[in-house]
Amino acid sequence: AAGVIQSPRHLIKEKRETATLKCYPIPRHDTVYWYQQGPGQDPQFLISFYEKMQSDKGSIPDRFSAQQFSDYHSELNMSSLELGDSALYFCASSFWTSGPTGELFFGEGSRLTVL
Amino acid sequence: KQEVTQIPAALSVPEGENLVLNCSFTDSAIYNLQWFRQDPGKGLTSLLLIQSSQREQTSGRLNASLDKSSGRSTLYIAASQPGDSATYLCAVRTTSGSRLTFGEGTQLTVNP
Repeated sequence: AAGVIQSPRHLIKEKRETATLKCYPIPRHDTVYWYQQGPGQDPQFLISFYEKMQSDKGSIPDRFSAQQFSDYHSELNMSSLELGDSALYFCASSFWTSGPTGELFFGEGSRLTVL
Repeated sequence: KQEVTQIPAALSVPEGENLVLNCSFTDSAIYNLQWFRQDPGKGLTSLLLIQSSQREQTSGRLNASLDKSSGRSTLYIAASQPGDSATYLCAVRTTSGSRLTFGEGTQLTVNP
């Protein structure tokens, strides 16, 4: 079965650089979620999109932006990177409505290291 | 604001032992609850999903229960194995389409 695909899996950037993470949801899922997980921490919700519109916003820094495209893939853009942005970034997808179960499915994550 | 707490933060048991991981949440009006497993530096593997109308779900040696009124869920692992060593995360969804709110996890070590 198709899963959530994230790319790149690993990314190394210098401080003040820009990074873009991509997420391809499970086919027919209409909602995408982004999470950030720092070392030793639980995943923190950043932002979500339903049908290409922002549906919820969490602790996403102003330096970050995201969008969902017409093919439902999503991109998380991070600018002016700081050391503290080093983390594992997860994307998840689901059906907005109850669908089969309302379960969120997570990708393998993109590990960002800021030097 | 929904808050999720997991107890204990860490647990070390000998192989073969049955164990229980606890999760509590502050807002009992939940949509569903998921238990995840995470190996160090790896992704989130969904273990069990319990809908708000359900009391428990089972998958192999795992059994998760839900008591909405008390704001609690437990994950029972039977006959633990060293391969069960990982961090177990509980996460709650308040409404359809809403975010998952995670607990801080229980780090489990099963010793051979």
